[in-house]
Amino acid sequence: AQKITQTQPGMFVQEKEAVTLDCTYDTSDPSYGLFWYKQPSSGEMIFLIYQGSYDQQNATEGRYSLNFQKARKSANLVISASQLGDSAMYFCAMRGANTGNQFYFGTGTSLTVIP
Amino acid sequence: NAGVTQTPKFQVLKTGQSMTLQCAQDMNHNSMYWYRQDPGMGLRLIYYSASEGTTDKGEVPNGYNVSRLNKREFSLRLESAAPSQTSVYFCASSLGGLSTDTQYFGPGTRLTVL
Repeated sequence: AQKITQTQPGMFVQEKEAVTLDCTYDTSDPSYGLFWYKQPSSGEMIFLIYQGSYDQQNATEGRYSLNFQKARKSANLVISASQLGDSAMYFCAMRGANTGNQFYFGTGTSLTVIP
Repeated sequence: NAGVTQTPKFQVLKTGQSMTLQCAQDMNHNSMYWYRQDPGMGLRLIYYSASEGTTDKGEVPNGYNVSRLNKREFSLRLESAAPSQTSVYFCASSLGGLSTDTQYFGPGTRLTVL
């Protein structure tokens, strides 16, 4: 069974500081992908970053990076230099090689950036 | 490119009414998905279509039907709406079903069933 766990319902961060949003996963698939999405108050789901289970390097996309620790089954999102526009819900998701069309989402973390 | 589009954006139904949510993508993707999002529960997969001509049940298919009309379009039908189907519905698409394939989402449909 596949499962994604986000244990932080809400987080606060000061503008310009870095913040880490936690995500742990459970899967029996030998190969899988991990994804982070942002959902602002307007409601759309915006893809942020992807990490493959066999990737040697941690993924980075601008101010977003993914702290991937395979042995611990964690895929934390790090946002550097937070901006007011980063205030949103953030969802971690996973899809496995053997269950490719099943995308599993966590329950999300609400991030608020304080000026 | 519009990406993934959904209509309508908002809908209010009475219990027992039927309606169809429309979804289209212009990214030449093979796979399409319907999700519902309820507070505190993340996104849950209703149905998906791995390729044109195929559809499969996801985690919460009861009360819904789907049609993959062609490669671009994937519709979701509520035959007899119930208050428990009040939710935000998202359509998504991906190139395929590989673990590396990112899903891209439409803007969502906010449905209220009275």
